[in-house]
Amino acid sequence: QKEVEQNSGPLSVPEGAIASLNCTYSDRGSQSFFWYRQYSGKSPELIMSIYSNGDKEDGRFTAQLNKASQYVSLLIRDSQPSDSATYLCAVGEGNQFYFGTGTSLTVIP
Amino acid sequence: GAVVSQHPSRVICKSGTSVKIECRSLDFQATTMFWYRQFPKQSLMLMATSNEGSKATYEQGVEKDKFLINHASLTLSTLTVTSAHPEDSSFYICSAIGGASYNEQFFGPGTRLTVL
Repeated sequence: QKEVEQNSGPLSVPEGAIASLNCTYSDRGSQSFFWYRQYSGKSPELIMSIYSNGDKEDGRFTAQLNKASQYVSLLIRDSQPSDSATYLCAVGEGNQFYFGTGTSLTVIP
Repeated sequence: GAVVSQHPSRVICKSGTSVKIECRSLDFQATTMFWYRQFPKQSLMLMATSNEGSKATYEQGVEKDKFLINHASLTLSTLTVTSAHPEDSSFYICSAIGGASYNEQFFGPGTRLTVL
């Protein structure tokens, strides 16, 4: 059973702070890694994809991948109340994807 | 980014009726489409994976005769919930991969099904 684990939270950070979301996965053969944001009552929205070790930055978001440790994280800088949502980590192998249960983030104004 | 649409966004039906949900990739050809179900405050649950022109692959515990999936073209997949019952009430979400971002999965907006 391939597992993707996330701390369910809730994670609360003050506005303007850095939010750090973490995810571990069980299968070393995993090839692609994704972070999705899901607002309550809405479908997931792709924020970041990362395929190789290291950091990938896009605006206020930075994804970090460490395949040796089987760990992927998402940093959100200058957190805004609009970032309050559930963040889903997903791991892909070809056309198969495995999702974590999500981390609930609340940014406090 | 790639756009996936779903129709209808919301449907209310009587117990015993069938409901069809359409999923379309609007600006790319979807080699593979996925159907998920999500109950309130729970995580996504993959129901099935479909490839154009072939039978869908269902996840364990998902009744293929109840949840009929047809992937008729590279831009359209449909999910039909047959003989719906109140316990089928849920948020159904499709997603698709294909195009330039070869394995990035893009989600449709979802269909909220309520069975009375």
